[in-house]
Amino acid sequence: GAGVSQSPRYKVAKRGQDVALRCDPISGHVSLFWYQQALGQGPEFLTYFQNEAQLDKSGLPSDRFFAERPEGSVSTLKIQRTQQEDSAVYLCASSPGDYQPQHFGDGTRLSIL
Amino acid sequence: QKEVEQNSGPLSVPEGAIASLNCTYSDRGSQSFFWYRQYSGKSPELIMFIYSNGDKEDGRFTAQLNKASQYVSLLIRDSQPSDSATYLCAVNTEKFYFGTGTSLTVIP
Repeated sequence: GAGVSQSPRYKVAKRGQDVALRCDPISGHVSLFWYQQALGQGPEFLTYFQNEAQLDKSGLPSDRFFAERPEGSVSTLKIQRTQQEDSAVYLCASSPGDYQPQHFGDGTRLSIL
Repeated sequence: QKEVEQNSGPLSVPEGAIASLNCTYSDRGSQSFFWYRQYSGKSPELIMFIYSNGDKEDGRFTAQLNKASQYVSLLIRDSQPSDSATYLCAVNTEKFYFGTGTSLTVIP
């Protein structure tokens, strides 16, 4: 596709449920990033892939968060046993390579009840 | 100290004026610098990127980088009401760090 595609756009889940958020990057982009954005804040880095390798996962807030990109294209961010503090917009971005501009998807707005 | 600092604003300028947005960063090893625009409820949209000291112009936008002072700025000439948004500064070191953004309002 022409841009980064994320799904679903909105997700409502009950506390304790597991959720999975999908990101389809721009074709050919090697690097893929996940961010969490709270209201009124800038995006906070979660994790980074180069092709299928997860090179940095230092921003994942707890072991309930897990990300994968098994074939070096589509990525999934999974949150297990969701908590209310997980409510945020989750942004995915891709770039052609290191130090190159990142292009963002529309994000997934996650609400935990 | 945060990796990237921006004045949160709000910054208000009249239509047609120059808007000046500023950003400082802490890591001298930072390699690349970006400005994103984010409308309310939307995702960040790339406006400018700059890698070398000096100015880079694109239409009404000019990015300025001073690595010695660890300072990046964005100038918007002939500001339009449609420029009203939050502007995010981002810096690429070993990771990609965003500032909290500066809210800009252009008054018709």
